[in-house]
Amino acid sequence: EVQLVESGGGLVQPGGSLRLSCAASGFTFSSYWMSWVRQAPGKGLEWVANINQDGREKHYVDSVKGRFTISRDNAKNSLYLQMNSLRAEDTAVYYCARESAYSGYDWDYWGQGTLVTVSS
Amino acid sequence: QSALTQPASVSGSPGQSITISCTGTSSDVGYYNYVSWYQQHPGKAPKLMVYDVTKRPSGVSNRFSGSKSGNTASLTISGLQAEDEADYYCSSYTSTSTWVFGGGTKLTVL
Repeated sequence: EVQLVESGGGLVQPGGSLRLSCAASGFTFSSYWMSWVRQAPGKGLEWVANINQDGREKHYVDSVKGRFTISRDNAKNSLYLQMNSLRAEDTAVYYCARESAYSGYDWDYWGQGTLVTVSS
Repeated sequence: QSALTQPASVSGSPGQSITISCTGTSSDVGYYNYVSWYQQHPGKAPKLMVYDVTKRPSGVSNRFSGSKSGNTASLTISGLQAEDEADYYCSSYTSTSTWVFGGGTKLTVL
């Protein structure tokens, strides 16, 4: 069974940093692109970043470029999101998602999310 | 990277059909046939319902169907059931190798 379990969320002050983790199991992690998608409280979904299988290709939404870094450790079946210079508008549930086995341009498995709150 | 446009809400009675639209631009919805739709129940993670505009993942009911014309994609749910009540989001891959979501549509089954 495919499982994605996020951790690392919490309360952080504006300007602070946080590192999210996503532990993957039940599939060959190293064969898939992976994404982070976030959802602000009561709001819609927003794609944040993705990374290819070997970690060499990464893409980001404009609003996080230069502040967030996506990475992965295939030996540990883990995905990460390093978030620096956090702002109030980064407050959201952050989901780890697998880019699907169907076409690769969608997400077929999602974690349950981890809440990041940026507030003083 | 502006969000795709969806109606805020739609409603229908059990057994009826509803359609949710998703309007983008020639740089996203109109650029590729990589539009997908997600169902999200309160407090839950999104679930993939349609991918590549018209295709259904295994296990998704054939009551869910997708289509596209120009810069607008649509999700149709036929034979509405109470458990279809949820938020629905469209997503499109873009010409800049990123993704954009719609703002979401709340479906109410009357």
